[in-house]
Amino acid sequence: QVHLVQSGAEVKKPGSSVKVSCKASGGTFSSHSINWVRQAPGQGLEWMGRIIPMFDISNSAQKFQGRVTITADKSTSTAYMELSSLRSEDTAVYFCARSIDNYGFDHWGQGTLVTVSS
Amino acid sequence: SYELTQPPSVSVSPGQTASITCSGDTLGDKFACWYQQKPGQSPVLVIYQDNKRPSGIPERFSGSNSGNTATLTISGTQAMDEADYYCQAWDSSTYVFGTGTKVTVL
Repeated sequence: QVHLVQSGAEVKKPGSSVKVSCKASGGTFSSHSINWVRQAPGQGLEWMGRIIPMFDISNSAQKFQGRVTITADKSTSTAYMELSSLRSEDTAVYFCARSIDNYGFDHWGQGTLVTVSS
Repeated sequence: SYELTQPPSVSVSPGQTASITCSGDTLGDKFACWYQQKPGQSPVLVIYQDNKRPSGIPERFSGSNSGNTATLTISGTQAMDEADYYCQAWDSSTYVFGTGTKVTVL
């Protein structure tokens, strides 16, 4: 059974950065993509970007380009999402989710609440 | 940028059929997925590649996609189906989620 376990909640100051981790177990980490999706309070889902660990290739939504860095450590089956220059509007639950080709996001992490407040 | 539009809310009586639409330019030329999200929980994939159900998803969930509209249909809706539903598609190297639909089972 595949499990994605994310790091715990964070409280950050405006202008700082946050790094969220997502550790995979029970599946083939490298051959799937790991995506990052966020959800602001009371709002919908927003795709931020993804990485394909096998090829160490990542891409992100235009909205986040220049502010988001997505990496992966194949040795520990862990993906990371770092968001910089935080502002209050970045307060959200951040999810990681696994996907391959057009098979959808079939497994999700439990979510990590990031609160940006002065 | 690509956009997917859903109705904000759909109401359905228990045992009846709920249909949720997702509109986007030439969406029928892409694969559509659907996710169910209950309050405080992570989303769950209910339909992928337009009309396929992952293991464990009840048969009452079905999907279609043609033209500019993808549709998620819940037949014989149950109280446990009350949730938010999101469509998703892949366009120009990015994933896009729909605006979301709250399904209320009255």
